[in-house]
Amino acid sequence: DVKVTQSSRYLVKRTGEKVFLECVQDMDHENMFWYRQDPGLGLRLIYFSYDVKMKEKGDIPEGYSVSREKKERFSLILESASTNQTSMYLCASTLGPFRKLFFGSGTQLSVL
Amino acid sequence: DAKTTQPNSMESNEEEPVHLPCNHSTISGTDYIHWYRQLPSQGPEYVIHGLTSNVNNRMASLAIAEDRKSSTLILHRATLRDAAVYYCILSTLIYNQGGKLIFGQGTELSVKP
Repeated sequence: DVKVTQSSRYLVKRTGEKVFLECVQDMDHENMFWYRQDPGLGLRLIYFSYDVKMKEKGDIPEGYSVSREKKERFSLILESASTNQTSMYLCASTLGPFRKLFFGSGTQLSVL
Repeated sequence: DAKTTQPNSMESNEEEPVHLPCNHSTISGTDYIHWYRQLPSQGPEYVIHGLTSNVNNRMASLAIAEDRKSSTLILHRATLRDAAVYYCILSTLIYNQGGKLIFGQGTELSVKP
């Protein structure tokens, strides 16, 4: 089965730090996504990428950037972490439209 | 993106069938209907998807109304492990959108022994 691996399950950072969240998939998927999940707000799409070096903004890109240098790896970057970015971050990948989306287990980020 | 409406929560008894409804009155002809579920402390997982015809797989069945304005996810015999948040999502093929899915609030299903 497809594996989507997120580098950390729990992460604690300080306000103003630069934070990297890493995601790796092992099935040669074209498309990768970053979501954040907050109580009462559900999953919201931050950024997605449909090819290496390509990226598209999702619904809430402010305060985030992404990097996709290799097909299997999609990184989410918080340039200067703030407390309102405390959240569960979920990475996902898929072969293409109308195909299954595979999610990682998530990274619970706390910004103090 | 077309919107879906689901009840916030539902309850079921173990080993009984569960029908999870979803309304999507603004669905377009090319929108697929997807269902995902999220177990506690895990990322969402795929359940089923369809376009027009009813679909069955080992996890569930998807019944799509003839006018496609609503659909129902059917779990034939609920188990305690089926307690999760169930998301009904529409997706449209838009060039270069890469199959993105926009998740709503979902239905929290609880299963009583």
